[in-house]
Amino acid sequence: DAGVTQSPTHLIKTRGQQVTLRCSPKSGHDTVSWYQQALGQGPQFIFQYYEEEERQRGNFPDRFSGHQFPNYSSELNVNALLLGDSALYLCASSGTPAGTDTQYFGPGTRLTVL
Amino acid sequence: AQSVTQLDSQVPVFEEAPVELRCNYSSSVSVYLFWYVQYPNQGLQLLLKYLSGSTLVKGINGFEAEFNKSQTSFHLRKPSVHISDTAEYFCAVLDRGSTLGRLYFGRGTQLTVWP
Repeated sequence: DAGVTQSPTHLIKTRGQQVTLRCSPKSGHDTVSWYQQALGQGPQFIFQYYEEEERQRGNFPDRFSGHQFPNYSSELNVNALLLGDSALYLCASSGTPAGTDTQYFGPGTRLTVL
Repeated sequence: AQSVTQLDSQVPVFEEAPVELRCNYSSSVSVYLFWYVQYPNQGLQLLLKYLSGSTLVKGINGFEAEFNKSQTSFHLRKPSVHISDTAEYFCAVLDRGSTLGRLYFGRGTQLTVWP
């Protein structure tokens, strides 16, 4: 049973560019959350998707947007990249949006903005 | 918003020694509590979680944690560590009143086990 997968594993962009990160949830999961983990910090919640809708959003600007597809996979888009967007982006999936359901994390996408 | 404090950024210990990683949270509401581990170049793996019931929670790899409501703490312990336990450990909380799974994480504690 495949766990949460993310692509690509690494990405290098320049300031002002746009980037799309992808996530496939664990089999049987329908809820996807995205987190940003800056170097030396804990993960910060970006947003959560359930039933193809954004259900909750953290303190991130509108440059960060997402999408969930009918097969429950998800994309994270970041526009007008800033140096401060360099981080490890983690995707987590769960069987329901409820907090009591264990969130399973993928290996992450390391984004470097030059 | 929740605030999670991991009091030690780095904890070095020798193999087979006991270890305690400290976590405190600030909340005016009831919470669920979690400990995750992150090995180099990997995502987060759940070690254990406290939802309700016994305040002593046992997790994987011999780890356990104790929920102390009066002290708003959820410290992680292991009686005898192995070199393979070297990793970053994150404490996280989630509001009981929330129907959505937004986790608030601490900044992490790097556990390094020396031979």
